[in-house]
Amino acid sequence: DVVMTQTPVSLSLAIGQPASISCKSSQSLLGTSGKTFLNWILQRPGQSPKRLIYQVSKLYSEVPDRFSGSGSETEFTLKISRVEAEDLGVYYCWQGTHFPYTFGAGTKLELK
Amino acid sequence: EVQLVESGGGLVKPGASLKLSCVASGFTFSDYWMSWVRQTPGKTMEWIGDIKYDGSYTNYAPSLKNRFTISRDNAKSTLYLQMSNVRSEDTATYYCTRPFAYWGQGTLVTVSS
Repeated sequence: DVVMTQTPVSLSLAIGQPASISCKSSQSLLGTSGKTFLNWILQRPGQSPKRLIYQVSKLYSEVPDRFSGSGSETEFTLKISRVEAEDLGVYYCWQGTHFPYTFGAGTKLELK
Repeated sequence: EVQLVESGGGLVKPGASLKLSCVASGFTFSDYWMSWVRQTPGKTMEWIGDIKYDGSYTNYAPSLKNRFTISRDNAKSTLYLQMSNVRSEDTATYYCTRPFAYWGQGTLVTVSS
């Protein structure tokens, strides 16, 4: 199985500060289709996960543009340009290139 | 608005069977692959498997393939997860998802004697 390693485990930031979360996979997520199925989701406290980013860098329509995703092959990054209160929760990366699909352990964003 | 509503969770004894359901609305259910994902009490996420839009093909996590079965009824816009011979490590919140895009609110399954 592909191992997804997220760092840091937690982040404590003030509103307005930038945030960066790393996600590394144990093998390349570039699929035979030429697409890279690396996704990000956010789980706010007490809620189910919500979609954020798919195929490394594509934001879903409802996601604010302060979020961005980048990376390739085995190294990926989620960035928030300026953290807002509604951004707190746990961020998970997950890969949909290789079966079985696998998730990172999560990064908890807390507000300072 | 896309909605996925799971049901069927609860307290079950080790070795028992349980069937979860997920009713979908707000989109044409029969056009989409669907999947199940679970989250343990420690917040670890695990993909269980998925099913093709017409129900003709399924994929499973190897560790669960022998005990879990995914099916669907497109006429009822409903996804199912049949769990058999459940174990304490199956205790988790089970989410129905339209892969990569939409998640239900989850249903909690607790396996305990």
